[in-house]
Amino acid sequence: EAGVAQSPRYKIIEKRQSVAFWCNPISGHATLYWYQQILGQGPKLLIQFQNNGVVDDSQLPKDRFSAERLKGVDSTLKIQPAKLEDSAVYLCASSAGGPLLTGELFFGEGSRLTVL
Amino acid sequence: GQNIDQPTEMTATEGAIVQINCTYQTSGFNGLFWYQQHAGEAPTFLSYNVLDGLEEKGRFSSFLSRSKGYSYLLLKELQMKDSASYLCAVGSGNTPLVFGKGTRLSVIA
Repeated sequence: EAGVAQSPRYKIIEKRQSVAFWCNPISGHATLYWYQQILGQGPKLLIQFQNNGVVDDSQLPKDRFSAERLKGVDSTLKIQPAKLEDSAVYLCASSAGGPLLTGELFFGEGSRLTVL
Repeated sequence: GQNIDQPTEMTATEGAIVQINCTYQTSGFNGLFWYQQHAGEAPTFLSYNVLDGLEEKGRFSSFLSRSKGYSYLLLKELQMKDSASYLCAVGSGNTPLVFGKGTRLSVIA
């Protein structure tokens, strides 16, 4: 079974530039998450989708971050404009369970962003 | 909100046993998860506790006490490949998993 796919694996940009990350979840997984993991810390939720609807985006900095999940499968996370503090690994995860059912999360390998 | 606390770093010897503790404060508790994360890699699921008691899975066991807001991950017969970060995560109500900062375990010869 194919896992969660993410791209690009690495990205280096200058502050105020924009960047986009892509995620393809495990086939059939209705729930998709984007987490931000700063070095030395645990993953922090940015946004959760159930199919193509947003369930929780309370911690997404909406002035610069946006995410979408068209057709309820692939998802993109965009940052515009980037700040130095956005340097982190952006992890995409999917699960078979719905938003009220806390199930095992399957993570992708992450996209490492460096903002200079 | 939720508050999850675990030690930042631990060191243990190959072949030994190590216990990584996690305390949490939350409402509407659904379950407690442990994930392993090797440096530069994605977290991978280790265990899940929803009821009090010990869950054993090979060399790894996880314990939960809901009344105390406490869990631990027990790793037996440590191997060098067990050097990684161990993340405690709590599910509660209708919110997604909230992760602790992780415990970085170094296994030495």
